[in-house]
Amino acid sequence: QVQLVQSGAEVKEPGASVKVSCKASGYTYTGYYIHWVRQAPGQGLQWMGWVNPNGGGTNYAQKFQGRVTMTRDTSITTAYMELNRLKSDDTAMYFCARSRSGSSVDSWGQGTLVTVSS
Amino acid sequence: QSVLTQPPSASGIPGQRVTISCSGSSSNLGINYAYWYRQLPGTAPKLLIYRNDQRPSGVPERFSGSKSGTSASLAISGLRSEDEANYYCATWDDSLSGYVIFGGGTKLTVL
Repeated sequence: QVQLVQSGAEVKEPGASVKVSCKASGYTYTGYYIHWVRQAPGQGLQWMGWVNPNGGGTNYAQKFQGRVTMTRDTSITTAYMELNRLKSDDTAMYFCARSRSGSSVDSWGQGTLVTVSS
Repeated sequence: QSVLTQPPSASGIPGQRVTISCSGSSSNLGINYAYWYRQLPGTAPKLLIYRNDQRPSGVPERFSGSKSGTSASLAISGLRSEDEANYYCATWDDSLSGYVIFGGGTKLTVL
């Protein structure tokens, strides 16, 4: 079955960077985009961007451009999301999810809590 | 990037039928499928409806979806206490090189 397994919780200081991983299994890895979606405490879902495992192309939400990098390693079917210059309001749960091009997501990772605090 | 419009809250009594609306635009819901997710506190969202009205295996028939023009709806019949959760609509938006757009979420309370 489809599984997306994310790395564990992180605690970072303001100004630092965080890199979250998302290991995929149970499907043809290059057939689906990997999206990153974050959810601040008590808030809704916010799309951050996608990486296309087939070629590595990316598209980032305007809010995060210049601060986020999404990559993938097809040899280990793992995607990564790195967010730089962390601020306190980056404290959130970060989810990876997969979708076909032109569709919304159909499977989600379990989430990774990133806490930014001095 | 904008968001799809959902009511922030909805409520119903056990056994009742409730609907949650989702409004978009010509670049997203107007030309792409609607998806619905349910999220319980502290957990990842779970797919409830895909391609407007399709249920993944394991999702009860009590949950149904529809789409017309730039709007979509989720209906829950035979409401149960365990249906109390946050519900999100989503779709693909073809602008800005393509992205997933979410609704703001609807908190469903079972009275």
